[in-house]
Amino acid sequence: GENVEQHPSTLSVQEGDSAVIKCTYSDSASNYFPWYKQELGKRPQLIIDIRSNVGEKKDQRIAVTLNKTAKHFSLHITETQPEDSAVYFCAAEGALIFGKGTTLSVSS
Amino acid sequence: GAVVSQHPSWVICKSGTSVKIECRSLDFQATTMFWYRQFPKQSLMLMATSNEGSKATYEQGVEKDKFLINHASLTLSTLTVTSAHPEDSSFYICSAVTGTGNSPLHFGNGTRLTVT
Repeated sequence: GENVEQHPSTLSVQEGDSAVIKCTYSDSASNYFPWYKQELGKRPQLIIDIRSNVGEKKDQRIAVTLNKTAKHFSLHITETQPEDSAVYFCAAEGALIFGKGTTLSVSS
Repeated sequence: GAVVSQHPSWVICKSGTSVKIECRSLDFQATTMFWYRQFPKQSLMLMATSNEGSKATYEQGVEKDKFLINHASLTLSTLTVTSAHPEDSSFYICSAVTGTGNSPLHFGNGTRLTVT
C-alpha cells in the first residue's frame, strides 16, 4: 500500500523567511497530493493540492511542486507570517494516507 | 459550501459506557465518509471508510466491534465507541469528499473523547 514520509517534523523560521516541507510517497500510481494545515485542536484545512498532470501549482504565498519520477512533492511557503504557525500534513491519493506532519513555528 | 458538521465537539464518559459521534454533510451528499483518530502531536490515522448503505471498511488493527460505524443516509455517518476505556481517549475526526475519485477532504470539527 501507499506510504508517505514527511520531513522535517519540526521547522522554525523567522517571520519573512521561506519554509519548505517535503514528502515522499511509495505508490507510483498515486495521482493526487493535497496539503492540509491544522491549528491546535481544530480541523485540518486544505491549503493547496496538486495532481500528477502538473509539476507546480501556486496560490499567493503557497506553492507545491511535484516530481513524479522521484516520487516526492514539496510545500513552499514564502514570506512566512506568525499566523502560518501550525501543523502541516501532506497526503497521497485522496488523503487516505497522511504524512506524520510538520510543526511550523514562525517567530516575529 | 462543502460543510461537514461533527457532534459533539467534546465528551467525557465513564469507562465501560458507549459514546456516539455524528458526522453530517450539511450542503452536499457524501456517499463516502472517513473516520480518523488523532493522538496528541501525531498525525491522523485512518480508522475506517464509511459507505452509505453498506458496511464500513476498517483499516488493519481497528476493531470493528468496538468502533461501530453506521452510514444510513447520504448526509450522516455515525461512529460509536463501545465499552470505552481510557486508552480510547483521543481526538476523533470525520471527513467527506464532495466528488468521486481524488478530491479534497472536508473535515468535521472533531470530537475530543475523554474516558475516565
